[in-house]
Amino acid sequence: EPEVTQTPSHQVTQMGQEVILRCVPISNHLYFYWYRQILGQKVEFLVSFYNNEISEKSEIFDDQFSVERPDGSNFTLKIRSTKLEDSAMYFCASGRERGYGYTFGSGTRLTVV
Amino acid sequence: SQQGEEDPQALSIQEGENATMNCSYKTSINNLQWYRQNSGRGLVHLILIRSNEREKHSGRLRVTLDTSKKSSSLLITASRAADTASYFCATDANAGGTSYGKLTFGQGTILTVHP
Repeated sequence: EPEVTQTPSHQVTQMGQEVILRCVPISNHLYFYWYRQILGQKVEFLVSFYNNEISEKSEIFDDQFSVERPDGSNFTLKIRSTKLEDSAMYFCASGRERGYGYTFGSGTRLTVV
Repeated sequence: SQQGEEDPQALSIQEGENATMNCSYKTSINNLQWYRQNSGRGLVHLILIRSNEREKHSGRLRVTLDTSKKSSSLLITASRAADTASYFCATDANAGGTSYGKLTFGQGTILTVHP
């Protein structure tokens, strides 16, 4: 069964550093998403991406964050100048149709120290 | 309360018993989905029910949706130890315009099935 692949599985970074989280969505999917889950809390929507542009973003997704689909297969989330509160599990998801059952990756656990 | 809240927060049962989890939400929705998450792992899509559907089955899973009460339930029949996981409901809101498929997740129910 096709999978969404995320790398790395775990990233430790120092406060203030930039990180790039990578995702390879399922090849025939058109809609791409980033979510995050702070330990013990709800899964929160960050951003949706369609047709090479951001469709919607949450209040969390401020200027510190950016997304890119640089080469038609990878989908990246960049966090500039990381803060301690950015520590969370970040999930990439993709879907063939908008709003109808997404495939999530296994996540990247980001720890900011 | 917030969109997509599940209860109970934790459920502990014996293998072979049925497990029922409930979810409430606040806004109008296009559909409601249930996901499963094993500890520290990704989310696995289990089942989706559209706003015009009332009940749906998939294997040992049965989902109901009551849009008048803005609530849904997930029933897992004949549970197995391997069903131990966290279960989340997630709603795709209908804002009257285009939805970009943003899902709003609940807090989740932690299900433990004892062998």
